[in-house]
Amino acid sequence: QQQVKQSPQSLIVQKGGISIINCAYENTAFDYFPWYQQFPGKGPALLIAIRPDVSEKKEGRFTISFNKSAKQFSLHIMDSQPGDSATYFCAANNAGNMLTFGGGTRLMVKP
Amino acid sequence: KAGVTQTPRYLIKTRGQQVTLSCSPISGHRSVSWYQQTPGQGLQFLFEYFSETQRNKGNFPGRFSGRQFSNSRSEMNVSTLELGDSALYLCASSLEASGGEQFFGPGTRLTVL
Repeated sequence: QQQVKQSPQSLIVQKGGISIINCAYENTAFDYFPWYQQFPGKGPALLIAIRPDVSEKKEGRFTISFNKSAKQFSLHIMDSQPGDSATYFCAANNAGNMLTFGGGTRLMVKP
Repeated sequence: KAGVTQTPRYLIKTRGQQVTLSCSPISGHRSVSWYQQTPGQGLQFLFEYFSETQRNKGNFPGRFSGRQFSNSRSEMNVSTLELGDSALYLCASSLEASGGEQFFGPGTRLTVL
């Protein structure tokens, strides 16, 4: 099973708030879990990534939480800013460089 | 360091034609993966090349093919274009073929009329 399920599809957050996006997977062979940010007309940009031997990783305002037993991982954006308004994709990788993507979350941060 | 470059950025073709898209990876990167992005199907893996060899292939018909050259540049070809092939085609480069960081280019927007 290669599917990665992402929720919510869209999210509206006030400036300064916390944005939380969740993903779930089935394939236990996945061994690398990146998050990408995509602005209209641009390619996805790598934000942060985690491997399953770590439960949390933080880079600036972005944190990944990883629950191996539940096969779930999430992205937290602290102090959300209007410039964070974009579409976010979770992904999972196994067998080389073959990413399976979630369906995407359109985030809007209101000033 | 320059990022991933893709040419052309925009392309309009008609049904039945064929198209070739080009990708130049980040300098020193040896793995190139291709993805198709559509509003309906999202981001889907097409294929991956490393050292001029196709290592993985996604669930796409044989009309979709690719290759990689000795300088790691890659091309993908779509023959007998269909309306449903209209999409953003993205190329991603990675240092090695070991499931690490993949960096995407800006994509080629293909419109099939």
